Amino acid sequence: EDQVTQSPEALRLQEGESSSLNCSYTVSGLRGLFWYRQDPGKGPEFLFTLYSAGEEKEKERLKATLTKKESFLHITAPKPEDSATYLCAVQAGSGYSTLTFGKGTMLLVSP
Amino acid sequence: EADIYQTPRYLVIGTGKKITLECSQTMGHDKMYWYQQDPGMELHLIHYSYGVNSTEKGDLSSESTVSRIRTEHFPLTLESARPSHTSQYLCASRGSWNQPQHFGDGTRLSIL
Repeated sequence: EDQVTQSPEALRLQEGESSSLNCSYTVSGLRGLFWYRQDPGKGPEFLFTLYSAGEEKEKERLKATLTKKESFLHITAPKPEDSATYLCAVQAGSGYSTLTFGKGTMLLVSP
Repeated sequence: EADIYQTPRYLVIGTGKKITLECSQTMGHDKMYWYQQDPGMELHLIHYSYGVNSTEKGDLSSESTVSRIRTEHFPLTLESARPSHTSQYLCASRGSWNQPQHFGDGTRLSIL
């Protein structure tokens, strides 16, 4: 059974204080790892897809990395508008497989 | 940019009522999904479809049903709502398998 564990559950940062969110996964044949951002009352918004160990993707203050067991979402010099819940999901197995989500990390950035 | 719409955004209704949650997308995506999300919990897949006339149950057992008569439309129905159905319901769609799922903003359902 595919499993995704995100840590920490919640993280409070000061504006400008860089940190990382972790997503550990156990799957049979990873076909893709996805990061989403979810604001209160909204659906998840797609950020990145990573396909193989060693891959990195960047977007503004966010950088996602992938190893064979986990992914990190690095947040550099965060701003209050980066406050959201960040979700990690994996797609494994055959091409017809669905996504398995973690519970998310709730990030609060204070000015 | 993905365009996927869910209505209603909020629904408060009494026990025993029949409910249909609407989901429409304008991208022509074959694959569509319904998830259930409770506060602080992960998204759980309850139904999915790979195209017209294709529907499958997801990992989480649900008393709801879905239909896929048109590519752009994937409604979810509860024949007789119960308080245990109170949750947020999210709809998503994707194009090819190497593309991400794109989500609507959800329907927050409360059954009294």
